[in-house]
Amino acid sequence: AQSVTQLDSQVPVFEEAPVELRCNYSSSVSVYLFWYVQYPNQGLQLLLKYLSGSTLVESINGFEAEFNKSQTSFHLRKPSVHISDTAEYFCAVTTNAGKSTFGDGTTLTVKP
Amino acid sequence: DAGVIQSPRHEVTEMGQEVTLRCKPISGHNSLFWYRQTMMRGLELLIYFNNNVPIDDSGMPEDRFSAKMPNASFSTLKIQPSEPRDSAVYFCASSSRTGGVIEQYFGPGTRLTVT
Repeated sequence: AQSVTQLDSQVPVFEEAPVELRCNYSSSVSVYLFWYVQYPNQGLQLLLKYLSGSTLVESINGFEAEFNKSQTSFHLRKPSVHISDTAEYFCAVTTNAGKSTFGDGTTLTVKP
Repeated sequence: DAGVIQSPRHEVTEMGQEVTLRCKPISGHNSLFWYRQTMMRGLELLIYFNNNVPIDDSGMPEDRFSAKMPNASFSTLKIQPSEPRDSAVYFCASSSRTGGVIEQYFGPGTRLTVT
């Protein structure tokens, strides 16, 4: 079985400040790791993913996440956030069989 | 590609009525997922299909819920009879493991209100 723990339910931050959204997971099998973002009244969208290779993965809008196998973590970071980054962020793991487990989400609120 | 299509986008119904939610996955995707999202319980996986076959329905809350996937391009989630506690946003998502694509693509959701 798999589980995903997002350690912060809400993260308020000022514009242009750095941010880190924390995600830990547990699994008895190999998994792939994902971050999804959900803007108000929309479905989830893929932000970035780790399948294999380099443990640092980046998105097109400045977010990055680092896979740490020993700590079973996949924290999401951005060095400077914008108002438009305000959204809910979900960490997820997917098994080879295709079953996904999502965390409870972290609400990022960027204040001017 | 039009993405995952869900209908209706909003549904308001009275307790006891039957509700049917519809989903058209992205063409070529062979996995389909139904989720429910509420403030109290977050995002819950209800059921998922691989190649039109239900693989795991352990998240289906009770017998009032049923899901079908008669072909690769259509799925339904039915609630009969509906209850106020079923009020939620229901998402459909699809994915494909061919070509290494395993992330899920979500539809816009159906907001269900049961009064």
